[in-house]
Amino acid sequence: DAGVIQSPRHEVTEMGQEVTLRCKPISGHDYLFWYRQTMMRGLELLIYFNNNVPIDDSGMPEDRFSAKMPNASFSTLKIQPSEPRDSAVYFCASSPPAVFGADTQYFGPGTRLTVL
Amino acid sequence: KNQVEQSPQSLIILEGKNCTLQCNYTVSPFSNLRWYKQDTGRGPVSLTIMTFSENTKSNGRYTATLDADTKQSSLHITASQLSDSASYICVVSTGGFKTIFGAGTRLFVKA
Repeated sequence: DAGVIQSPRHEVTEMGQEVTLRCKPISGHDYLFWYRQTMMRGLELLIYFNNNVPIDDSGMPEDRFSAKMPNASFSTLKIQPSEPRDSAVYFCASSPPAVFGADTQYFGPGTRLTVL
Repeated sequence: KNQVEQSPQSLIILEGKNCTLQCNYTVSPFSNLRWYKQDTGRGPVSLTIMTFSENTKSNGRYTATLDADTKQSSLHITASQLSDSASYICVVSTGGFKTIFGAGTRLFVKA
């Protein structure tokens, strides 16, 4: 398997523009996670899905952020409108069925977002 | 307040030496503790996962310990290699996938 695939790898946009990040999880994994990493705040869990259903979005910072998972092989994280403070590396991760949330999460390479 | 604190913040060691990274947490309830390795410019890679009943787990030259009573964990790296240079992140889950991340320890292995 190719692992978790994210696109684009780098995104530079101007404040106010819409940004869409994409993720393809590992086949057979039924959990999908979106994380954000910054120097100041480290890694933060934004939202996760189980069987394409959002389970916990309490980490989503604002209404400007939205995530969807229309099917088992694709998810998007959208920021509209984007702001400079959204600049970060966004990771997608997937996990096979877990017992008490203890299974391994496999991370993608990340999307480095810069909002000017 | 749920917190995960890691020490040291950064560490420089010579190739071939051993080192130990620390993770103290004040998380309740406790579900599991994970150690991740993150190379520069890459996503984190899981090294170990430990639940409440486990007090040690190894993955090659990496050995993690967990003391649930004192709420401390350590990651011991044996015979370090240049490729061990990375950030090591301790993550504690309270249940389900509610997670608290440590800030990480940046390890530099020098030849």
